[in-house]
Amino acid sequence: GAVVSQHPSRVICKSGTSVKIECRSLDFQATTMFWYRQFPKQSLMLMATSNEGSKATYEQGVEKDKFLINHASLTLSTLTVTSAHPEDSSFYICSARDGTSGGSRDTQYFGPGTRLTVL
Amino acid sequence: GQNIDQPTEMTATEGAIVQINCTYQTSGFNGLFWYQQHAGEAPTFLSYNVLDGLEEKGRFSSFLSRSKGYSYLLLKELQMKDSASYLCAVRFRINAGNNRKLIWGLGTSLAVNP
Repeated sequence: GAVVSQHPSRVICKSGTSVKIECRSLDFQATTMFWYRQFPKQSLMLMATSNEGSKATYEQGVEKDKFLINHASLTLSTLTVTSAHPEDSSFYICSARDGTSGGSRDTQYFGPGTRLTVL
Repeated sequence: GQNIDQPTEMTATEGAIVQINCTYQTSGFNGLFWYQQHAGEAPTFLSYNVLDGLEEKGRFSSFLSRSKGYSYLLLKELQMKDSASYLCAVRFRINAGNNRKLIWGLGTSLAVNP
């Protein structure tokens, strides 16, 4: 099946620093990647949709200047949390859509997630 | 608007069968997904339905009725490792083009007891 990697898996940082999270599709090309945030015992919250070679589309309420997304290639998207604060502590998960699976499925495959703790 | 409902919690016994229901209200329906998520981990894909009927994949089956806005995930021969959250997600078209969006249910936390 399709494999998506995410790095780092866990990061602890001081308030005010920036953190970059990488998401890679390992065995397929992903023209579209998604970034989610999940707080404990809550559902996935879509933050933004990342399209290769173009600007990301952010969901309402998500600050694009705080959560910088770069989708430079068909296999890599990065999310940078700038000037992180304790309220940004969360589980960040990326997913990549495998458009090569054919038909209308376009299944999203998830990376293992990054647990961010801002002190 | 778009909405998904699924039970918050369920409990079942090892070796038994459990059915997790999902109801949704959406326009432009374009497919329904079930994912499994263990605590502290990312979701993993289980099944996809876009036409009415039952899709079977090993111990897991998923059913869809588009007219009723209803789906269920059926887990047979339950194992302890099946204890997880099960997420229902519905994809819908947001305009006349090919733009689609996925909305997620809050998940059903399943506890499998020995």
